[in-house]
Amino acid sequence: AQSVTQLGSHVSVSEGALVLLRCNYSSSVPPYLFWYVQYPNQGLQLLLKYTSAATLVKGINGFEAEFKKSETSFHLTKPSAHMSDAAEYFCAVTGILGNTPLVFGKGTRLSVIA
Amino acid sequence: SAVISQKPSRDICQRGTSLTIQCQVDSQVTMMFWYRQQPGQSLTLIATANQGSEATYESGFVIDKFPISRPNLTFSTLTVSNMSPEDSSIYLCSVVRNPEAFFGQGTRLTVV
Repeated sequence: AQSVTQLGSHVSVSEGALVLLRCNYSSSVPPYLFWYVQYPNQGLQLLLKYTSAATLVKGINGFEAEFKKSETSFHLTKPSAHMSDAAEYFCAVTGILGNTPLVFGKGTRLSVIA
Repeated sequence: SAVISQKPSRDICQRGTSLTIQCQVDSQVTMMFWYRQQPGQSLTLIATANQGSEATYESGFVIDKFPISRPNLTFSTLTVSNMSPEDSSIYLCSVVRNPEAFFGQGTRLTVV
């Protein structure tokens, strides 16, 4: 079974500041991990994914995440926040064995202050 | 990649009625997954639809309320039965082709 825990339901940063959104996972099999972004009244958009290749994964819009097995973490970062980054972010996990659904965290709402 | 066509994209329904949501995938898949996203919430898995067998429901979801059909390897439907305002949500179908997950566009349901 898989699960994810996103620490902090709401994170607020100043424009230009570092963005750090935390995600810890639990999985009984080697995981695949994902970060999605959802803008108000829009669908999910894949930011990046970890699929057991490089542990540091770069995604769209300047985001990246690092898979740390020892810490069971997959935190999302961006060096400099932009106003357009304000959205809801979801971490998700599935097993590499295939044909298992994604399990989503509860989400973190990112606010960016001018 | 996989393309999933989901319809309707949105609907406003009277309480007590039922709505059937359809998902068509562009190629054969063994399993299809149905999710619900309540307002301001994350995605919650409703059930897994296998072709040729009954759907497997997650805790808190029952077949009488959310009957699912899976007549072939490219198509599935989810029905939201006897609707109440609490059923107002976005419903999404999904398939997984590791290492990717693909989602339909979602059905935004409002029950009045």
